[in-house]
Amino acid sequence: GAGVSQSPRYKVAKRGQDVALRCDPISGHVSLFWYQQALGQGPEFLTYFQNEAQLDKSGLPSDRFFAERPEGSVSTLKIQRTQQEDSAVYLCASSRNNLGTGSYEQYFGPGTRLTVT
Amino acid sequence: EDKVVQSPLSLVVHEGDTVTLNCSYEVTNFRSLLWYKQEKKAPTFLFMLTSSGIEKKSGRLSSILDKKELFSILNITATQTGDSAVYLCAVEKTGGGADGLTFGKGTHLIIQP
Repeated sequence: GAGVSQSPRYKVAKRGQDVALRCDPISGHVSLFWYQQALGQGPEFLTYFQNEAQLDKSGLPSDRFFAERPEGSVSTLKIQRTQQEDSAVYLCASSRNNLGTGSYEQYFGPGTRLTVT
Repeated sequence: EDKVVQSPLSLVVHEGDTVTLNCSYEVTNFRSLLWYKQEKKAPTFLFMLTSSGIEKKSGRLSSILDKKELFSILNITATQTGDSAVYLCAVEKTGGGADGLTFGKGTHLIIQP
C-alpha cells in the first residue's frame, strides 16, 4: 500500500518495560510527525523530523521518550521504563513538504495502541 | 498558549438531519485550519482552509473559515449513519514553528438511523 504504516498495531507492556514503535512514512515524504492521542482527546504533538533531522522534540513528555529517523525514512519512537500514563494511541504522520515551504497535508498512519499495565 | 476549542463535544442526531460543528482557535502565526474525520485510529483529511469567507465543499460536507472572528464551521447535510465519527479540527502555524498541528478535542457525532 502507499499509505503510512505503523507497527505493532497493539502493544501491551508491563510498567517499567521499554517499547519501540515503528513508523513507515509514505515514500519520498520529507516531514514526519509523531503524536500521542489519549482516550477521548485530540492528537498531541510529540516530535517532528525533516528528513533525518529531528527539528523539534518539544512535545516529548519526558526524557524517557526518544525518537529517531536515521536514514530519513523509517522512524522509531522509543519509550523507556514505561508508565501507566504512557498508555495511549501513538500516531505517525508524514507530509511531502518541509514545514514553512507551503501549506501541506499530513497523512496519518493507523496508530499503535499502547497499554501499560 | 495556542488553543483550539471544538463544540459541541458530542452530538446525536437522526439520519437526514443537518449538523454544524464548530471550531474556534487562538494561535500565533496562523497558516491554515484543517478538518479531519476519525473513525477508528488515524484521522483522515477533509478540508484545508486558508482564506476567510471561501466555502469548501465535498459532497454533503462543507466548511468555511472566519479569520477575523477566529473560527470555522463544518456542515454536514442529509447525514447518514456512515458520517458517525469524531471530527477533529486542527490549526497549522507559519514560519519556523515545527510543532505540527494543534488539535481540538473533537466532536463525537453519532447519526441514528
